[in-house]
Amino acid sequence: GAGVSQSPSNKVTEKGKDVELRCDPISGHTALYWYRQRLGQGLEFLIYFQGNSAPDKSGLPSDRFSAERTGESVSTLTIQRTQQEDSAVYLCASSLELAVYEQYFGPGTRLTVT
Amino acid sequence: KQEVTQIPAALSVPEGENLVLNCSFTDSAIYNLQWFRQDPGKGLTSLLLIQSSQREQTSGRLNASLDKSSGRSTLYIAASQPGDSATYLCAAGGSQGNLIFGKGTKLSVKP
Repeated sequence: GAGVSQSPSNKVTEKGKDVELRCDPISGHTALYWYRQRLGQGLEFLIYFQGNSAPDKSGLPSDRFSAERTGESVSTLTIQRTQQEDSAVYLCASSLELAVYEQYFGPGTRLTVT
Repeated sequence: KQEVTQIPAALSVPEGENLVLNCSFTDSAIYNLQWFRQDPGKGLTSLLLIQSSQREQTSGRLNASLDKSSGRSTLYIAASQPGDSATYLCAAGGSQGNLIFGKGTKLSVKP
């Protein structure tokens, strides 16, 4: 079946602009996760959803970052007033249920802030 | 705070060799441990998932072991092939599903 998809695959934006990144999880997966990978660094956990609920937003880097999910489907990660330090690959993953099951990753969105 | 370390950072071996990649984590209270491979410019491919109650998992030429008490996991690759060349990541899973990743081992298998 279809895997996790993300769009756009690449995004170049000017500093100060808002961007919206999209993730389509595997159908039937109730849990969804966002990570980011800055150049030369490891993957960093940002936020998780169980259904459309995100109980813990403490992993988001700043209040410029927000995320939402519609039911057990699409999720969007929004970055407001982008900064150069936001440049990274943003990865989305989904799993059948929270924590216990294998996470499957999408191809990522490469964000470049100029 | 969970920290995950992978040794070595890079490894180059001739084709056909068996090899072991190491992963250590500081907090033994994990839900599971997952191994991935990452190819340049691509996303992560899941290789093996070991639940906290398990000791090992096998898939084809890959075998992953988990020793929670010592905070270690190893990924064994048998009869390595050039197509195995990639960066291998281990990740410790927490109760919220948050995976804490190591920085990876970059493997190069020479024909």
